Amino acid sequence: GAGVSQTPSNKVTEKGKYVELRCDPISGHTALYWYRQSLGQGPEFLIYFQGTGAADDSGLPNDRFFAVRPEGSVSTLKIQRTERGDSAVYLCASSISGTGAGNTEAFFGQGTRLTVV
Amino acid sequence: AQKVTQAQTEISVVEKEDVTLDCVYETRDTTYYLFWYKQPPSGELVFLIRRNSFDEQNEISGRYSWNFQKSTSSFNFTITASQVVDSAVYFCALRGTQGGSEKLVFGKGMKLTVNP
Repeated sequence: GAGVSQTPSNKVTEKGKYVELRCDPISGHTALYWYRQSLGQGPEFLIYFQGTGAADDSGLPNDRFFAVRPEGSVSTLKIQRTERGDSAVYLCASSISGTGAGNTEAFFGQGTRLTVV
Repeated sequence: AQKVTQAQTEISVVEKEDVTLDCVYETRDTTYYLFWYKQPPSGELVFLIRRNSFDEQNEISGRYSWNFQKSTSSFNFTITASQVVDSAVYFCALRGTQGGSEKLVFGKGMKLTVNP
């Protein structure tokens, strides 16, 4: 597709369950990012991939959160033992950057709204 | 540590008014990049502009203009002759260059409502 695609757009899950959120970046983009946005707040960084490897996972809040990008394109954010505090919009972005120079813009998907009840 | 502050949380104007959105940033990096994004009610973040720390030229794009001042660590955004379609949440963001991470640090956003 032309833009970053995220599925599902909405996910409601029960406390304690496991969820997977999927991100399909723009074709050819080597960098992929996950952010979390709570109501009334700016997006908070979670993890950044350069190709298949996680170049920076310093934003993951705890070990219940994990993300993979096995073939350097699609990425999955996995949350174990979900808690009500995990409820937020999870945003994925991608950019062309392959140099680490940081001078390229990131294009965002529409996000997955996760609600933990 | 890197930080972006958008002191205004919400502004309401009448169509055709000019409005300026403030952004102040903190970083120890000598090279960094500043961004503005728009988030309409649909939720998708839309890229508006990127500015490099070594280029302090102001920029104008249609009704939008940006004023970058390193001396005050500010990167303000002005919308001239605002329109109802400008109603959205606007985010200022910073990306440093130390450590190789390309993460964006966002401000809390400023909700702009343009009334007809």
